[in-house]
Amino acid sequence: DTGVSQDPRHKITKRGQNVTFRCDPISEHNRLYWYRQTLGQGPEFLTYFQNEAQLEKSRLLSDRFSAERPKGSFSTLEIQRTEQGDSAMYLCASSADVRSGELFFGEGSRLTVL
Amino acid sequence: EDQVTQSPEALRLQEGESSSLNCSYTVSGLRGLFWYRQDPGKGPEFLFTLYSAGEEKEKERLKATLTKKESFLHITAPKPEDSATYLCAPYSGNTPLVFGKGTRLSVIA
Repeated sequence: DTGVSQDPRHKITKRGQNVTFRCDPISEHNRLYWYRQTLGQGPEFLTYFQNEAQLEKSRLLSDRFSAERPKGSFSTLEIQRTEQGDSAMYLCASSADVRSGELFFGEGSRLTVL
Repeated sequence: EDQVTQSPEALRLQEGESSSLNCSYTVSGLRGLFWYRQDPGKGPEFLFTLYSAGEEKEKERLKATLTKKESFLHITAPKPEDSATYLCAPYSGNTPLVFGKGTRLSVIA
């Protein structure tokens, strides 16, 4: 296992379509995070899981967004009825212990909504 | 609400020209402050954790320091490969990490 992997790396979709991103964390990490990043901004927290439990969701996460982590392994982030404002880089990170500050990020999934 | 401000937003240096990046924060009960590096089109990469005021950490040409209200990332004799965006994130014990907007560093040969 060489790190956090995300798929797809790039997605172009039309407004109103649904998209789903997948994240495979480092296998021994029990915490998994989703962040969103737009140009010139730092990563903004969306949601996180400890094992299969979704423990916190940001107010940025509207009803059109849903995240799952079945069996505490990989996670999916689905965006329904995409809007142009959803265009961003969606970053996944995992960690074994958040107190160390070391989140391991994937390379991200870039979404473009036309 | 936790707040993080990084300055400058962008910094252009000549190779070998040392400088510092600033991260100011207002966080209740700081438990740590983290620095990350982000290359274009990639996810952030962890650099340092600082746990208490007065602490310093070093890695190659980078040195991070922490006071009660801010942290500095000092870059000594930078090289073009140090060009990246540097992000800081104070940690109060409440997940998740809140990141600053970052400083975009360009080092020109």
